[in-house]
Amino acid sequence: EPEVTQTPSHQVTQMGQEVILRCVPISNHLYFYWYRQILGQKVEFLVSFYNNEISEKSEIFDDQFSVERPDGSNFTLKIRSTKLEDSAMYFCASTPTGPTDTQYFGPGTRLTVL
Amino acid sequence: RKEVEQDPGPFNVPEGATVAFNCTYSNSASQSFFWYRQDCRKEPKLLMSVYSSGNEDGRFTAQLNRASQYISLLIRDSKLSDSATYLCVVPHSRGGSYIPTFGRGTSLIVHP
Repeated sequence: EPEVTQTPSHQVTQMGQEVILRCVPISNHLYFYWYRQILGQKVEFLVSFYNNEISEKSEIFDDQFSVERPDGSNFTLKIRSTKLEDSAMYFCASTPTGPTDTQYFGPGTRLTVL
Repeated sequence: RKEVEQDPGPFNVPEGATVAFNCTYSNSASQSFFWYRQDCRKEPKLLMSVYSSGNEDGRFTAQLNRASQYISLLIRDSKLSDSATYLCVVPHSRGGSYIPTFGRGTSLIVHP
């Protein structure tokens, strides 16, 4: 069964550093998403991506965040200057058609900002 | 009203029990509804989707009440392996699109 993959599984960085989280969505899916889950809190939508551009973004997704699909398979989330409060689990997901579809999640990247 | 609201629990039940969770949502335009299961520090995994009045899959039944804007999840004959957090997800409309919106989750602990 096809699955969403994410790398790395755990990223430790210093405050102020840039990080790039990588995802490979399911190959025939059209929509891609990033979510954040701070420990003990709910899953929060960050951004959706369709047809090589951002479809929707939340208030959390400010200027320090960006997304890119650099080739036909990868989907990346960049955080330019990490803050302590960016420490969280970041999940990538994809859906076959749109945001009212079943979300297929990757295993997540745990980001720790020191 | 919060966009998606769930009782956080925990619900602590013995094996074999029947347990039900409720989830309320605020956006009456929502068309699809989901229950996901999340184990500790793992990704959410789809348990059930609901597009009309309800859905049933083995021991799990989901019901949708559009008039009152809630969905429920019923688990019959609970197993130890059902212990997890159950997430209610409702895509909320915003302009011409939808934002997948998660509840905080309901924690279930099934004990021997």
